[in-house]
Amino acid sequence: KQEVTQIPAALSVPEGENLVLNCSFTDSAIYNLQWFRQDPGKGLTSLLLIQSSQREQTSGRLNASLDKSSGRSTLYIAASQPGDSATYLCAVSKAAGNKLTFGGGTRVLVKP
Amino acid sequence: GAVVSQHPSRVICKSGTSVKIECRSLDFQATTMFWYRQFPKQSLMLMATSNEGSKATYEQGVEKDKFLINHASLTLSTLTVTSAHPEDSSFYICSAREGTGQGTEAFFGQGTRLTVV
Repeated sequence: KQEVTQIPAALSVPEGENLVLNCSFTDSAIYNLQWFRQDPGKGLTSLLLIQSSQREQTSGRLNASLDKSSGRSTLYIAASQPGDSATYLCAVSKAAGNKLTFGGGTRVLVKP
Repeated sequence: GAVVSQHPSRVICKSGTSVKIECRSLDFQATTMFWYRQFPKQSLMLMATSNEGSKATYEQGVEKDKFLINHASLTLSTLTVTSAHPEDSSFYICSAREGTGQGTEAFFGQGTRLTVV
């Protein structure tokens, strides 16, 4: 059974500092990995999708890496801003069109 | 990206009544949609997979007679919480994928906050 773990569970940094969020999964046979952002009381916003054949994806200040063989992904957020405060979730998909398995999330607070 | 719309965003109902939540894919067709439940400060728990034109697939421990799922078209899935009780109060979120090929991205609705009083 696939298990996804996110460390740390919570993170507080001053504005401008870079953020590093970790995600690990036990079964490396995945199709893709997705990073999401969730604001309190809201749904999920897709940030980055990394295919199993890819090593990283970038979008603006966000960069996500994937090491499938070791079961790890890292989300980097450069030059953090207070607006980046949210919960960040990673999820892996084992088969095309299949369900996602989520990590517990990392709650991020960026202090002005 | 693709848009998934969920309605209502918030609902309060009395114990014993039923509540229907709608999930629509606005600009794409989704043969499969997913329903999740989220408790405060916890991650998402998959409840069921909704398949267009066929029965939903429920995860272990989820009562199919209590959480009725209907996926009558390629753009609409509904979740009905029947005979609701206070312990059903939670945040419910739906998801849909655009296409079924490898590497398809999942998109989520805004969520529905259900409070049973």
